[in-house]
Amino acid sequence: SQQGEEDPQALSIQEGENATMNCSYKTSINNLQWYRQNSGRGLVHLILIRSNEREKHSGRLRVTLDTSKKSSSLLITASRAADTASYFCATLLNTDKLIFGTGTRLQVFP
Amino acid sequence: EPEVTQTPSHQVTQMGQEVILRCVPISNHLYFYWYRQILGQKVEFLVSFYNNEISEKSEIFDDQFSVERPDGSNFTLKIRSTKLEDSAMYFCASSEDGTSGTLWEQYFGPGTRLTVT
Repeated sequence: SQQGEEDPQALSIQEGENATMNCSYKTSINNLQWYRQNSGRGLVHLILIRSNEREKHSGRLRVTLDTSKKSSSLLITASRAADTASYFCATLLNTDKLIFGTGTRLQVFP
Repeated sequence: EPEVTQTPSHQVTQMGQEVILRCVPISNHLYFYWYRQILGQKVEFLVSFYNNEISEKSEIFDDQFSVERPDGSNFTLKIRSTKLEDSAMYFCASSEDGTSGTLWEQYFGPGTRLTVT
């Protein structure tokens, strides 16, 4: 199994609803980062949470990290159609390479 | 806000040809990376570069690949003899610090879509 698997693979919601995406990983990490990717475009860094942090907020984003369960969640509150994208978690281990998850495709309908 | 830039945005090449993908990292960053994403798949690490040498590379990064920082601003990825399976989006990234235990984010460029025909 892989380092970094998100679920669900796809999520469809209405504008105004909250979207929650989960990420699980296998090994100890230094930090975990969430990225957004619009279709066919680049990766936009959203938020970084350190291994000694449990929760972090940035605007409408809330990230949690549970190192005992090796899992993280990304919550987008009051979603907008512009939030439609793929969301990836990426873990930084003891080297400097990011290991990306499989991604969650979020569709927000107006 | 400073950003990583990449050129070209799209490159079409024939199998067996050499391609060079170019990146300009954020100016005060010291660590540089290349990743790739085959259509519909995960983003995969290729190589990291610091102090003018490769610090880590994946098994994907074989002898057909090379990286270079030819001057103070550019960071390039060369594929010597492209194969069909090299078709992918290639992302450059940079960070202020990349060593073990670092907390710094990696900032990604918009990518170069490489199509090998």
